[in-house]
Amino acid sequence: LAKTTQPISMDSYEGQEVNITCSHNNIATNDYITWYQQFPSQGPRFIIQGYKTKVTNEVASLFIPADRKSSTLSLPRVSLSDTAVYYCLVGGFFSASKIIFGSGTRLSIRP
Amino acid sequence: GAVVSQHPSRVICKSGTSVKIECRSLDFQATTMFWYRQFPKQSLMLMATSNEGSKATYEQGVEKDKFLINHASLTLSTLTVTSAHPEDSSFYICSAKIRETQYFGPGTRLLVL
Repeated sequence: LAKTTQPISMDSYEGQEVNITCSHNNIATNDYITWYQQFPSQGPRFIIQGYKTKVTNEVASLFIPADRKSSTLSLPRVSLSDTAVYYCLVGGFFSASKIIFGSGTRLSIRP
Repeated sequence: GAVVSQHPSRVICKSGTSVKIECRSLDFQATTMFWYRQFPKQSLMLMATSNEGSKATYEQGVEKDKFLINHASLTLSTLTVTSAHPEDSSFYICSAKIRETQYFGPGTRLLVL
């Protein structure tokens, strides 16, 4: 199982771009990289997923270098409602492949 | 994205009683579901992997006789906390997987008095 390492916490201000980097040195060939957002007393919410290079959707971008040993979640122009815990997870295609959560990054957005 | 529901959203019970939590995949079939537990200010901890039609696989340190898991259909997995005690009070979250993506339920807050 690939272990992930993220900063414990980050602070930013409304309107700024926030980049959260995750390290996953022992990622396997079949593993995808997925980012989730979690608010207090809620289940994690899917943000974005990728395998390599860059992926973009309506809420975020995900940058993955060629060696895939790290990834960066980019949140453009954050707002107060983006204050949450963000988890980087690495897991495989096969249905029984379980995912282990790391500590996550507690992002605090200030006015 | 895919929708996973949990019921109940919160439950309060007396010590010694059993509590059942349901996890449903609403718009897809899931041969594998996962159960997590989360304590305040901590990350999610995987408790067990629930496989449709077969026995669940428990993580080390999780008592299988205390946390009974049944995955009777492709859309439903249940977690029963037997003889609950105050230390079992926690936030329980299930997830279901489609190909390489896990989708999580909203969670169930359990308080044991």
